[in-house]
Formats: sequence, structure tokens, C-alpha cells
Amino acid sequence: KAGVTQTPRYLIKTRGQQVTLSCSPISGHRSVSWYQQTPGQGLQFLFEYFSETQRNKGNFPGRFSGRQFSNSRSEMNVSTLELGDSALYLCASSLVAGGSYNEQFFGPGTRLTVL
Amino acid sequence: DQQVKQNSPSLSVQEGRISILNCDYTNSMFDYFLWYKKYPAEGPTFLISISSIKDKNEDGRFTVFLNKSAKHLSLHIVPSQPGDSAVYFCAASFGNEKLTFGTGTRLTIIP
Repeated sequence: KAGVTQTPRYLIKTRGQQVTLSCSPISGHRSVSWYQQTPGQGLQFLFEYFSETQRNKGNFPGRFSGRQFSNSRSEMNVSTLELGDSALYLCASSLVAGGSYNEQFFGPGTRLTVL
Repeated sequence: DQQVKQNSPSLSVQEGRISILNCDYTNSMFDYFLWYKKYPAEGPTFLISISSIKDKNEDGRFTVFLNKSAKHLSLHIVPSQPGDSAVYFCAASFGNEKLTFGTGTRLTIIP
């Protein structure tokens, strides 16, 4: 069974630009969650989608948005990039929504560098 | 507000000895706890979990202990092996809520 895939793996952008990251979950998984990982901050939750609906949202500004398509693939978009947005963005898929009793499988991440 | 805390950013342990990684939480609603392991350039992988109705769960060399009164959980790895060198994240959840992760502990096993 193929794992979670994320594209692109690496991305370099400049301040003020916008970026779109893509995540393809494991086949049959309907929930996709996005996290931002920065040194010293651990994994910060961005949002979770289940059956094309956003279920949960973390404490990030409105510049961060996402969506999920009918095939469960998900994209996240960051507009007006800032230097502080440089991070590893991780996507995780699971069968159902929520964190309890529900193993999340992570992709390898997209490393975003903002110059 | 960091609801899940891993106060040790790094830990070094000799091969063959016990590794103990600690995690504290503040939200008493949490009823499910997990440990994830992360190698460089890879996403985190699930290691072991525990429900709040238990105080211990074992899986091979890995054991997780939960002390609800202290709001503390720990991961024991015995014996530690070089392949255990990685960053370990604890995480917690309740109901259908999202997972809340700690900041991670980098474990280095010294041969």
C-alpha cells in the first residue's frame, strides 16, 4: 500500500509570494491533517479535513488555508509569505477524523524556505 | 499555551542501557496519548499509544507509562539500540479533537 506523498519535497520562495503544497493520503483514508514543524516548536497543528470539510483549525493567521478534494487529496496554501513561514510542512492521513484511537500516517514533508 | 511539554530537548544514552523520555501535559481532558519517532528527512512514524484507562502499555522494547495524577507520561526503551537515535514526539488528544504534539526530544544512542 503506498504511503502518504507530499509534493514538492523542497521549495524556495521569496517574501510576499504565495505557495501551494499538495498531499495525497493513503488510499481509503478520508482525513488529512497538516502540521508545521519548526525547531523548538514541535509540530504545530494547522488544520484537519475530513470528507472535503474542515473539521479543526489551529492558531494560524488567515494567510494559511487549505482544501480537500473528493478523492481525499489535499492542498494547503500560504499567501504573502513571511520569513517566519520557513518550516517543514507535514501532512498526515488517517481513516477517520480526530486524534484519539486513530493512527495518523505522515508523509515526508515539504521543506519550505522563504528568502 | 503549550499543553504538551517535553522539557528535555536532547538525551544521550549508551547502547544497551535504558532510555527514558518524559512528557508532561496540562489539559486534564486528554485521554489518549501517543509517541511518534522521527528520522531526518522522513515524516514521524507511530510508535506506541496508551489510553487514560491504563497506566502502562508495552510493545517489545518500548513501554509507555502514564501517571494521570501527575499529568505525566514517559517512554522507556530497553535495551537502547543505535537505530533508536531519532527525535521522539509525544502527543495527546481527546474525543474527536486534533492531536497536540510536544516539542520533541532528540535521542542519541552512543555505541
